[in-house]
Amino acid sequence: DAGVIQSPRHEVTEMGQEVTLRCKPISGHNSLFWYRQTMMRGLELLIYFNNNVPIDDSGMPEDRFSAKMPNASFSTLKIQPSEPRDSAVYFCASKPGTANNQPQHFGDGTRLSIL
Amino acid sequence: KQEVTQIPAALSVPEGENLVLNCSFTDSAIYNLQWFRQDPGKGLTSLLLIQSSQREQTSGRLNASLDKSSGRSTLYIAASQPGDSATYLCAVRSGGGADGLTFGKGTHLIIQP
Repeated sequence: DAGVIQSPRHEVTEMGQEVTLRCKPISGHNSLFWYRQTMMRGLELLIYFNNNVPIDDSGMPEDRFSAKMPNASFSTLKIQPSEPRDSAVYFCASKPGTANNQPQHFGDGTRLSIL
Repeated sequence: KQEVTQIPAALSVPEGENLVLNCSFTDSAIYNLQWFRQDPGKGLTSLLLIQSSQREQTSGRLNASLDKSSGRSTLYIAASQPGDSATYLCAVRSGGGADGLTFGKGTHLIIQP
């Protein structure tokens, strides 16, 4: 079975540029999550969707960050304009619904470096 | 606001030893608690999920316990192997209907051959 697929795996860009991270959840999973991992703060939830609808975006750091889920098989996380402090590993995860006994399945992440 | 703490931050033990990793959380109103494994440069792999009504879960050499009232969980690894070397993360799904996870910063485990 294909897991959660994220692209690109690595992104290096200069500050001020727009960055778009992509995620394909596991087929049939209707909950999708975006997390950010840094050494200082660990893993933090940015936003999650249920049935393509954003449910909780309280973790999005500021207006420079936006996320969309146009359909059940694709989501994007966009940073515009990017800043060096946005450098981190960004993970996407999905799960089948909201039941308590379902674990989240993570992609391999996008390692983002903003110069 | 839920906070999750993991102790120790790092642990190095010889192969074959049994070991315990600790996780504590500040708000006991949780739906479930998950233990994950993260290998360098990789995503997270779910190891065990304990629902709030459960006391423990077992998978192979791994056993996770949950004491919700005291805000604690432990991950017990029996007969450790070098392949168990990884970072182990604890995460809780808090109450209130939210589905996102709050993570601890992890325990970096090294099993010496």
